[in-house]
Amino acid sequence: GAVVSQHPSWVICKSGTSVKIECRSLDFQATTMFWYRQFPKQSLMLMATSNEGSKATYEQGVEKDKFLINHASLTLSTLTVTSAHPEDSSFYICSAREGGAGANVLTFGAGSRLTVL
Amino acid sequence: GESVGLHLPTLSVQEGDNSIINCAYSNSASDYFIWYKQESGKGPQFIIDIRSNMDKRQGQRVTVLLNKTVKHLSLQIAATQPGDSAVYFCAENTGNTGNQFYFGTGTSLTVIP
Repeated sequence: GAVVSQHPSWVICKSGTSVKIECRSLDFQATTMFWYRQFPKQSLMLMATSNEGSKATYEQGVEKDKFLINHASLTLSTLTVTSAHPEDSSFYICSAREGGAGANVLTFGAGSRLTVL
Repeated sequence: GESVGLHLPTLSVQEGDNSIINCAYSNSASDYFIWYKQESGKGPQFIIDIRSNMDKRQGQRVTVLLNKTVKHLSLQIAATQPGDSAVYFCAENTGNTGNQFYFGTGTSLTVIP
């Protein structure tokens, strides 16, 4: 089945630094990937839709300059949290959709836990 | 995004009993729904999906029911096992508007041995 890999699984950084999280579709091509954020004991909040070869589409309230998304290839999307602060500490999860039109099932990565000191 | 919510934040069931997890959605145009299971510290895993042209779909030990009239869907787990303990989310999609899925609040299921 489809596999989505995220790296790193956990990162701890100092306030003010930038952190990059990678999301890879291992055995399929994904023209579209999605980035979610999840706080403890809460649901997944869609942050943005990452489109291969074009700009990401951000959900309302998500700062595009804060959360930089790059989808340079059909198997890789990256999320960079710029100038991270403690309030950015969260669980970030990516997902990708396999298949063409009508194939809507999303496959999720294992998530990346960001802790900002 | 669309509003998708769950009725119960927590649910405890005895091992072997059946579990029912409920989800309400607000967008009547939603035409595709997925149930995901998320274990602690992991990403969500697909359980079962249903399209709006169906009202019931069965998988292995799981059944999803969709009531479009009241915009409600449920996940039934038969003979619940300790490994079923997790948080369950429903997610809805309106295919005509794009690929985005929006998740409900989540229900934490605890199976008591």
